Amino acid sequence: GAGVSQSPSNKVTEKGKDVELRCDPISGHTALYWYRQSLGQGLEFLIYFQGNSAPDKSGLPSDRFSAERTGGSVSTLTIQRTQQEDSAVYLCASSSLPFGVSPEQFFGPGTRLTVL
Amino acid sequence: DQQVKQNSPSLSVQEGRISILNCDYTNSMFDYFLWYKKYPAEGPTFLISISSIKDKNEDGRFTVFLNKSAKHLSLHIVPSQPGDSAVYFCAASDKGGSNYKLTFGKGTLLTVNP
Repeated sequence: GAGVSQSPSNKVTEKGKDVELRCDPISGHTALYWYRQSLGQGLEFLIYFQGNSAPDKSGLPSDRFSAERTGGSVSTLTIQRTQQEDSAVYLCASSSLPFGVSPEQFFGPGTRLTVL
Repeated sequence: DQQVKQNSPSLSVQEGRISILNCDYTNSMFDYFLWYKKYPAEGPTFLISISSIKDKNEDGRFTVFLNKSAKHLSLHIVPSQPGDSAVYFCAASDKGGSNYKLTFGKGTLLTVNP
């Protein structure tokens, strides 16, 4: 596709359930990022992939959060035993390396997660 | 501790006038600054960026100014149009190795009135 796509666009789940969020980056982009935006907050970095490796997982808020990337393309963010504070919009972004003029990242539309 | 701050949650401007959105940062290691625009239910879209070695970058109606000594940047939109109404995020990049992760401010909601 032309841009970054994410699925599902909306997810409502019950507290304690596991959820999987998917990201399809722009074809050929080697770098992939996950962010989340809680209500009234800016975007918060979660994890960075370079190819299939995740050299920076420093933003993952707890061990309930994990992510993987396969084939240097699609990524899945998994949240186990969801809690109400996990409710947020989860955004995926991709970029190509080496960079040109600036470290621009291209964002998908996000997945709105609501934990009841 | 917020490293990128946008102290104005909202700004209202008349069509045709100048919009000035401000951003302050605390991390002197930031080497690139970016502005993103976000409409409801969409992902942020890149607007304009500036390297820390520059003090101004212009692209059409959008100009970003960087004052490194004050750790302050601003986005000027001239003339403002109703279609510019959106949330604007300031972001900064701290190149740790090859990881260009972005640190975002909380955003400023710009409303341009016809």
